[in-house]
Amino acid sequence: DADVTQTPRNRITKTGKRIMLECSQTKGHDRMYWYRQDPGLGLRLIYYSFDVKDINKGEISDGYSVSRQAQAKFSLSLESAIPNQTALYFCATSDLRDPDGELFFGEGSRLTVL
Amino acid sequence: GESVGLHLPTLSVQEGDNSIINCAYSNSASDYFIWYKQESGKGPQFIIDIRSNMDKRQGQRVTVLLNKTVKHLSLQIAATQPGDSAVYFCAEKVGSSYKLIFGSGTRLLVRP
Repeated sequence: DADVTQTPRNRITKTGKRIMLECSQTKGHDRMYWYRQDPGLGLRLIYYSFDVKDINKGEISDGYSVSRQAQAKFSLSLESAIPNQTALYFCATSDLRDPDGELFFGEGSRLTVL
Repeated sequence: GESVGLHLPTLSVQEGDNSIINCAYSNSASDYFIWYKQESGKGPQFIIDIRSNMDKRQGQRVTVLLNKTVKHLSLQIAATQPGDSAVYFCAEKVGSSYKLIFGSGTRLLVRP
């Protein structure tokens, strides 16, 4: 089983719909992240959380919100999806005790907004 | 601004040959660099890293070279295999910052 699990893996939705992408991890890591990947671009950070009570905006947080329901769960929401939010979304974790902060990624959630 | 980029978006090599994937970075303060491999339908996976106090680091069939003078990073894969076909990303980080800056990726295609 994957250490970092994302659901759903694929989703097609319409403009204006609310969408939630969920992430759960069994690595016991405190830190969790949501990244977005677009063709020809590198991964860009949307939000990150260093513990259950900590939520921080990344470089492209507009149009997104997150919830850290538990140490192991970090969900990403699009309140009103728009077509330019069509992308591949990755959840990642890292260990607070690792000074290099190596990231462990889920397998991605492909979102298409029509 | 800070940026990490790649010279070649796609690299095609013959199976058994060596592959070299290049990356340029612009932040001279970056002191930690990572290469990730992303296979189709999967998330990125750590391959190898290097700190700025080193200029070379070797792993199993992979070597990372760092040239701080020209802000250049490369990943060398020896005896490239079909399983090496993937997109490779470089990323950089400054000190204890949580923030990784990713390059746009190079696709490696291995011809049988």
